[in-house]
Amino acid sequence: DTEVTQTPKHLVMGMTNKKSLKCEQHMGHRAMYWYKQKAKKPPELMFVYSYEKLSINESVPSRFSPECPNSSLLNLHLHALQPEDSALYLCASSQLTRGGPQHFGDGTRLSIL
Amino acid sequence: GQQVMQIPQYQHVQEGEDFTTYCNSSTTLSNIQWYKQRPGGHPVFLIQLVKSGEVKKQKRLTFQFGEAKKNSSLHITATQTTDVGTYFCAGKNRDDKIIFGKGTRLHILP
Repeated sequence: DTEVTQTPKHLVMGMTNKKSLKCEQHMGHRAMYWYKQKAKKPPELMFVYSYEKLSINESVPSRFSPECPNSSLLNLHLHALQPEDSALYLCASSQLTRGGPQHFGDGTRLSIL
Repeated sequence: GQQVMQIPQYQHVQEGEDFTTYCNSSTTLSNIQWYKQRPGGHPVFLIQLVKSGEVKKQKRLTFQFGEAKKNSSLHITATQTTDVGTYFCAGKNRDDKIIFGKGTRLHILP
């Protein structure tokens, strides 16, 4: 069982759709992360939120828009994605604001048609 | 930019044999973390090493952090089928960024 919950587990969307990925943790962690992972590759950092403020944006295209409504929630809004954006999207949290051991959710497997 | 190199990329071992994966960083790390990802699963934190020359053990797993804090290794003694997965090292640099190695995929032959 994971303490970081991600929904949905699977998502299929067209290139013109708008959808959102959601992540929730109740461990009191103050840092939350979005990663993108392609098959047989390491997780690739996208965004880091520290105390609900965006602290790192790894030059991610604007079709990905993160949001941190409160300390327990992290969203990733998707719009006009490309087929190459198909991947596993992982959310993680850590107790330390940056650089601490991370707890990952199960991920959302995203397919862009 | 800073890289964390991890070798080997793949490793096939007979069940019962030992396994080792190595990580090397181009710069000094503040700490190094190890994660395991089972096929179809998500990365799971295993351990964090902080001190120069540190060695930690978890049952059959032994983790080492080099004296210069630029390299690390994970050694599994007497592998079991439950050890199957990809092992990632992740180094924390001075900017507090975590940089993942490419991972070593371990396959166990029965």
